[in-house]
Amino acid sequence: AQSVTQPDIHITVSEGASLELRCNYSYGATPYLFWYVQSPGQGLQLLLKYFSGDTLVQGIKGFEAEFKRSQSSFNLRKPSVHWSDAAEYFCAVARYSSASKIIFGSGTRLSIRP
Amino acid sequence: DAMVIQNPRYQVTQFGKPVTLSCSQTLNHNVMYWYQQKSSQAPKLLFHYYDKDFNNEADTPDNFQSRRPNTSFCFLDIRSPGLGDAAMYLCATSRLGQGIYSNQPQHFGDGTRLSIL
Repeated sequence: AQSVTQPDIHITVSEGASLELRCNYSYGATPYLFWYVQSPGQGLQLLLKYFSGDTLVQGIKGFEAEFKRSQSSFNLRKPSVHWSDAAEYFCAVARYSSASKIIFGSGTRLSIRP
Repeated sequence: DAMVIQNPRYQVTQFGKPVTLSCSQTLNHNVMYWYQQKSSQAPKLLFHYYDKDFNNEADTPDNFQSRRPNTSFCFLDIRSPGLGDAAMYLCATSRLGQGIYSNQPQHFGDGTRLSIL
């Protein structure tokens, strides 16, 4: 069965520091992978997606993610965080296509230290 | 801008009193989803419509129903809300099919926060 693991429940980084949020997935074939961000009281916004091609994916707001098949990972990175990046981040996997049902990880809450 | 709109943003209802949440979309997507999200948890899929075909998740309580009268609108009905149903309810849409504009990732609304008195 498909699953997504985000091992870090809460991360705090200083403004301007680099960020890496971890995500591991379990799926037999090449999955469709996503990162979503959710600000307090808001819906989810798609940051980026991967399903084929270049394993380094660029997204919105300066985020990128790298698909590593050998490690079953899809970690999210940003070279320099801003206070506005404080939010909940969800990694997700879909089975059949970019638009089909997705399974979310449990989320990582990001706090920014001034 | 094309978007997914949920109304109301905040809904308060009484224990056991039926409540309906609404979702509309201007994306012309053929799939609409309803998720329940409790505090500090990931969204949990309740059901989805693929065009007019309703697909219920196995563990969705019977208390939750949905209607999709047309492509643009989808409703979530909670027949007898209990205290455990207090949550954020998220609507999402996507396009499944063929062609270069199909298979678009899910696009979410801002949610309706439901409180039960």
